[in-house]
Amino acid sequence: EDQVTQSPEALRLQEGESSSLNCSYTVSGLRGLFWYRQDPGKGPEFLFTLYSAGEEKEKERLKATLTKKESFLHITAPKPEDSATYLCAALSSASKIIFGSGTRLSIRP
Amino acid sequence: GAGVSQTPSNKVTEKGKYVELRCDPISGHTALYWYRQSLGQGPEFLIYFQGTGAADDSGLPNDRFFAVRPEGSVSTLKIQRTERGDSAVYLCASSLATSGRTNEQFFGPGTRLTVL
Repeated sequence: EDQVTQSPEALRLQEGESSSLNCSYTVSGLRGLFWYRQDPGKGPEFLFTLYSAGEEKEKERLKATLTKKESFLHITAPKPEDSATYLCAALSSASKIIFGSGTRLSIRP
Repeated sequence: GAGVSQTPSNKVTEKGKYVELRCDPISGHTALYWYRQSLGQGPEFLIYFQGTGAADDSGLPNDRFFAVRPEGSVSTLKIQRTERGDSAVYLCASSLATSGRTNEQFFGPGTRLTVL
């Protein structure tokens, strides 16, 4: 069964304290791995798409990486405005999109 | 340009009633998706349209749920005989569907449905 698991469920960091969020996936024929940011009361906002193991993408303080089993979202020197829920989703070869439950990130000033 | 819009933003209804939720995708986006999101969970896929036709409706939980997209733009998600368990945020997303690599989905703000 296709599955996407994110860890930790919640993460509290001090401003400037770098860390990583994990997304483990078991998906038949991965066609794409997506990262989204979701603020309270809003829809998810697209961040990155990764297509193959070894691929990396960066945007400001965020960098996403992909292996054959998992993806990481690295956040470097975070700021309070980076506080949000970060979602990952996998697209299978059967065109099924499966989201993880998200990691709630909180950055203290 | 305008993003994906959804109306209403909030809907409160009574158990057993019928509701319609509307989604206006980004102009020119041929693919449209409906998701349901419960508190503390990620979005759960419901149905995907490519143009006017439902390309994949395997996520619809039962036959009380139905969605249409008659002109290949606006879509309506319809829920009959609502139950308290239908309470959730219903999200709509659209994308430029092309062959080959997958295009990112742009989400609307969602409709929060509460069934009393």
